[in-house]
Parts: sequence; structure tokens; C-alpha cells
Amino acid sequence: EAQVTQNPRYLITVTGKKLTVTCSQNMNHEYMSWYRQDPGLGLRQIYYSMNVEVTDKGDVPEGYKVSRKEKRNFPLILESPSPNQTSLYFCASRTLAGEETQYFGPGTRLLVL
Amino acid sequence: LAKTTQPISMDSYEGQEVNITCSHNNIATNDYITWYQQFPSQGPRFIIQGYKTKVTNEVASLFIPADRKSSTLSLPRVSLSDTAVYYCLVGDKDSGAGSYQLTFGKGTKLSVIP
Repeated sequence: EAQVTQNPRYLITVTGKKLTVTCSQNMNHEYMSWYRQDPGLGLRQIYYSMNVEVTDKGDVPEGYKVSRKEKRNFPLILESPSPNQTSLYFCASRTLAGEETQYFGPGTRLLVL
Repeated sequence: LAKTTQPISMDSYEGQEVNITCSHNNIATNDYITWYQQFPSQGPRFIIQGYKTKVTNEVASLFIPADRKSSTLSLPRVSLSDTAVYYCLVGDKDSGAGSYQLTFGKGTKLSVIP
């Protein structure tokens, strides 16, 4: 089954404790992306990657890091989480050829205390 | 980036046709228009995509006028399960710079009433 998976689905952590949210897709998509969603603000793009070793900033990259060492994986790293990073995070992927449909993961709900 | 403007919310009764309009005055020649649906605490789900005129699939229709500065998502005979947030997205396809940044607006919250 074609899908985007994220782990963990729920996470409670404390300020300053480094964490990683994993994202994996099994569709051989070149493009992967991370979004955060906050009430009243809709979905905002954090980082995206066009292919392995190619990443670029989205609209709200501050406080986040990403890496793309393998085509299928695109982890989101919070080196020193702060309470304002409490949010619902979505990973997405798509092919760069043909239609522009993005496939979204189930989301990771993060609470930073 | 082409910015989109949609109504914040809409209400509809079950069985009615719902039309949600999105404005995108700065749409670029290479941009496609894509609509997504999102239920609470779930990732957005693709509904329909088009470039010009009319596109129809088993879920919805998308109407795009000749100037492409707006588009209308049409949902026929909505049911309670269509209650969701609908996003209009215009792809920023700057092939020269290789940028594929996509921007979601705040979406339109559709509430279907029994």
C-alpha cells in the first residue's frame, strides 16, 4: 500500500530536549516536505526536499533541521525545542513528474512543555 | 508565490450542491490549481486538480475561467461526511530555480447541516 508514515504520532517533551520525528514514504517520490499546522494559521511549510541531499527552507524554517540521506526518508529534527513549536506536524511526498498531488502522512502531535 | 484567498467558512444543508471559490490573481503560467480536503487531526487529502476550463472526477468538479484568476470547487449533493476544511493550492513551479514550494492558505471550513 502506497503511504507516508510518521513516527511518533504523539510526543510530549520538555524545552531543550532534542527530538527527531521520522517520515518515510514507499512511493519512490523525489519530493518530500514538512508542514506544521496551528489553529487559525492553516498549514505552513517548514522545509522541503527535491531529492537526496537537496533541501530548502519553506515559510517557517526557524528552529528546525532536516536531512535527506535516503530517498524514502526525511526526518525533522528539533535541536532545542521550545513551547512555540507545540503543533501538529505533517510530512508529505510527491513525484516531480506529472501531476502535483501531495500525499500526506497521518500527522505527529507535539507538545513542548 | 501565488497567494490564494478563500472564504473562511461556509454552511450547507445535506443534499445541496456546494461551490467554494478561490481567488488567485497572481497565478503564473505554469501553475496548476489543486484542492485538498482535510478532516480534523488527519493529513490533507487530494480532491482534484486542473489547469484551465473544467475538470470532473468522482468526487468533485473544478471550474477555471479563461483568465485563471479564480477557480471554483463544486461538491454535488454534500453529506455530513463532507464536513471538512478545503484548501485551494496554486503550485509555484519555478522550474528554473527548481523551487517547488507550495503554500496552503487558511482554507474554507465547510459545515454540512442535517
